[in-house]
Amino acid sequence: DAGVTQSPTHLIKTRGQQVTLRCSPKSGHDTVSWYQQALGQGPQFIFQYYEEEERQRGNFPDRFSGHQFPNYSSELNVNALLLGDSALYLCASSAVGRDTGELFFGEGSRLTVL
Amino acid sequence: AQSVSQHNHHVILSEAASLELGCNYSYGGTVNLFWYVQYPGQHLQLLLKYFSGDPLVKGIKGFEAEFIKSKFSFNLRKPSVQWSDTAEYFCAIQGYSGYALNFGKGTSLLVTP
Repeated sequence: DAGVTQSPTHLIKTRGQQVTLRCSPKSGHDTVSWYQQALGQGPQFIFQYYEEEERQRGNFPDRFSGHQFPNYSSELNVNALLLGDSALYLCASSAVGRDTGELFFGEGSRLTVL
Repeated sequence: AQSVSQHNHHVILSEAASLELGCNYSYGGTVNLFWYVQYPGQHLQLLLKYFSGDPLVKGIKGFEAEFIKSKFSFNLRKPSVQWSDTAEYFCAIQGYSGYALNFGKGTSLLVTP
């Protein structure tokens, strides 16, 4: 049973560029959440997708956008990258109806912005 | 606004010592409470959770946590730690009407032989 898979695992971008991160949820899960974890901090909620719609959004600018596909996989897009966007981006999946905060996390995509 | 405060950022214990990690939160309504753990080289995983009922909850690997509503606290405990408990521990809350988890900054636990 595959868990949550994320790609790429590491990437380096320069300021102003755009990045797309990808996530496949755990088998049987239909809800995907994205979190940003800066060094020395806890994960911060970016947004959650369910039924291909953004269901809730955290305090992140519009440069952060997402998408969920019919197969429940998801993408996180960040435009006009800033140095401060350097972080570990975590994808977490859960199952609706059992959305009790029990999230299954991937290993993360580590983004470095130069 | 929700916030979570973890008092200890770095804790070093010897094996067999008792563990208590503090977590306090601020939120005006009903919350669900969680402890997540990240072992070295692994992904974040759920350690235990509290939604309602008995305020003393038990999780995996002998961990437990107590919800004290009057103190807005959800401290994590283990009577006797092992070297394999070395990890980063995160407390998190979920507002009753929301989906997002609000995490604390984490506590890094090192257990020495």
